[in-house]
Amino acid sequence: DGGITQSPKYLFRKEGQNVTLSCEQNLNHDAMYWYRQDPGQGLRLIYYSQIVNDFQKGDIAEGYSVSREKKESFPLTVTSAQKNPTAFYLCASSILGGSTYNEQFFGPGTRLTVL
Amino acid sequence: AQSVAQPEDQVNVAEGNPLTVKCTYSVSGNPYLFWYVQYPNRGLQFLLKYITGDNLVKGSYGFEAEFNKSQTSFHLKKPSALVSDSALYFCAVRDAYGQAGTALIFGKGTTLSVSS
Repeated sequence: DGGITQSPKYLFRKEGQNVTLSCEQNLNHDAMYWYRQDPGQGLRLIYYSQIVNDFQKGDIAEGYSVSREKKESFPLTVTSAQKNPTAFYLCASSILGGSTYNEQFFGPGTRLTVL
Repeated sequence: AQSVAQPEDQVNVAEGNPLTVKCTYSVSGNPYLFWYVQYPNRGLQFLLKYITGDNLVKGSYGFEAEFNKSQTSFHLKKPSALVSDSALYFCAVRDAYGQAGTALIFGKGTTLSVSS
């Protein structure tokens, strides 16, 4: 988990609330990613960003929003439009470019529960 | 469409026995393949990757994986399992021409249980 921090570790949300999950990396990586993990479904891509001030939707972006104002930070907001937000959220980062593809490094995760 | 399949939800082995966790893939171009391990309530840890070259890839903690292009498989192996290897294992792929940029496509995961 080194180099990528996520906070909080546990988060509880009431119906109708927006909540923001923090992700910070000190690895000087260009690319950052948000995944959602549900039991038995593996990891699904929510959003990714390859450069500051630019990001792309993944497979399940509906009900989520992100920003990338700094290279080190990629916060994820879970909006009230997300129908079933209870899940484990993982942030990752990786180097871009080079002659080989580089692996992603993951943070420790945030477990979000809707009350 | 690019995809990864892990056909076994759970694999059970006895400590000291060899283990195999299976993975098959489907991509439109050359595959970049990865294995990750996850312990309860933790993030994923990188084990190994195949980009090009030798079909047998060696990784962390004594794990290795065999790339088989004709069978589109990338099975994870270890000659002698340890109880501490018990965890959730994910196979992942990136298509060199994938739609999702540099993001990975993950399998659903296989729970490995090693008994003493």
